[in-house]
Amino acid sequence: EAGVAQSPRYKIIEKRQSVAFWCNPISGHATLYWYQQILGQGPKLLIQFQNNGVVDDSQLPKDRFSAERLKGVDSTLKIQPAKLEDSAVYLCATKNGPGDSPLHFGNGTRLTVT
Amino acid sequence: AQSVTQPDIHITVSEGASLELRCNYSYGATPYLFWYVQSPGQGLQLLLKYFSGDTLVQGIKGFEAEFKRSQSSFNLRKPSVHWSDAAEYFCAVGGYGGGNKLTFGTGTQLKVEL
Repeated sequence: EAGVAQSPRYKIIEKRQSVAFWCNPISGHATLYWYQQILGQGPKLLIQFQNNGVVDDSQLPKDRFSAERLKGVDSTLKIQPAKLEDSAVYLCATKNGPGDSPLHFGNGTRLTVT
Repeated sequence: AQSVTQPDIHITVSEGASLELRCNYSYGATPYLFWYVQSPGQGLQLLLKYFSGDTLVQGIKGFEAEFKRSQSSFNLRKPSVHWSDAAEYFCAVGGYGGGNKLTFGTGTQLKVEL
């Protein structure tokens, strides 16, 4: 089966600019997560979707971050305006099944904010 | 709140030596526990998972982990390390009680000396 696809792989922007990341999940995977991984840290959950509905966005900085999952398939994560501390790898993960089902991760988008 | 502690930031072992990576968790109910591995520039790959039954679980690439409820631990082991095992390893905890949200530790960077 094809894996989780993310684009772009790398992005460099200046602070206060906007940026968007895209994720295409494994076919049939209903649950989709966006994680932020700052260098030297573990992934931190930003938002969780179940189909096209938001399940948990408690750790999403909503003043600058937004995400959507149209039609319950692809998802986009946007940052506007970006700050220096947003420099990180943004990982998309999907799964199909209950809590013990494993997450399948994409290769991530590395964002550098200068 | 659920949390994971990986007390070792870096570990160096010689090729062929045994390995143990420590993981302690905090979770209010029966946890689901996972170990993921991340190579540079890649997403996270599942090594193994525990959610019930036998407390010693086997994973891919010759890894195993033991769940010890009394110690709130889920340590990862491998009897003989290969140079290709050099990577970063993440322990994660989740479950139905946490809304299927997966919380990761900060990771352990493994270096293998030839």
